[in-house]
Amino acid sequence: EIVLTQSPGNLLLSPGERATLSCRASQSVTNRYLAWYQQKPGQAPRLIMYGASSRAPGIPDRFSGSGSGTDFTLTINRLEPEDFAMYYCQHYGSLPQTYGQGTKVEIK
Amino acid sequence: EVQLLESGGGLVQPGGSLRLSCAASGFTFSSSAMSWVRQTPGKGLEWVSAMSGRGDATYYADSVKGRFTISRDPSNNTLSLQMSSLRAEDTAVYYCAKHRDYSNTYFDHWGQGALVAVSS
Repeated sequence: EIVLTQSPGNLLLSPGERATLSCRASQSVTNRYLAWYQQKPGQAPRLIMYGASSRAPGIPDRFSGSGSGTDFTLTINRLEPEDFAMYYCQHYGSLPQTYGQGTKVEIK
Repeated sequence: EVQLLESGGGLVQPGGSLRLSCAASGFTFSSSAMSWVRQTPGKGLEWVSAMSGRGDATYYADSVKGRFTISRDPSNNTLSLQMSSLRAEDTAVYYCAKHRDYSNTYFDHWGQGALVAVSS
């Protein structure tokens, strides 16, 4: 089972700033099978990124993903008010799928 | 528009049973694998079970193997999760999630969630 560790746990930023979220895997993620989800309070997770760097439909281009192997990054440029939320990385492609513990992007 | 609507959550005593259902619409049900994922404040997101699009393969997390059964009814586009021998640690919000395609890939849509509370 691949263990995903996200950092930091909390990110305190102002609108307009850049957010850099990290997801580190305990072993290499095959074929960059790494997704990112956004979750707001009381809502279900929403797909943001898949294949490490492909944006899901409808996701603005201020969101970008990068990485391979064991280190992945989600970057949000010019934070908008609606971007403040919890973000989770997910490994897929083999079972069990696993998730990081999340990074909370909060308004400073 | 893809919609996933869970039902069947509630309060159940330890050792009891509960059945969750997920009504799916807006896509070809047989073309997508489906999963149940649960979320707790303490453990975060945890994949629970998956079923292939054709319903010929099922998969379970070790934590629920032998206690939970996933099934799908293509006649009414419904995914179900029969949960038995429930424990306090099964308390969570349970999400029905649609895989991008027939394979074990990422989830492109999630339901709104159903709360399951296991307590005496």
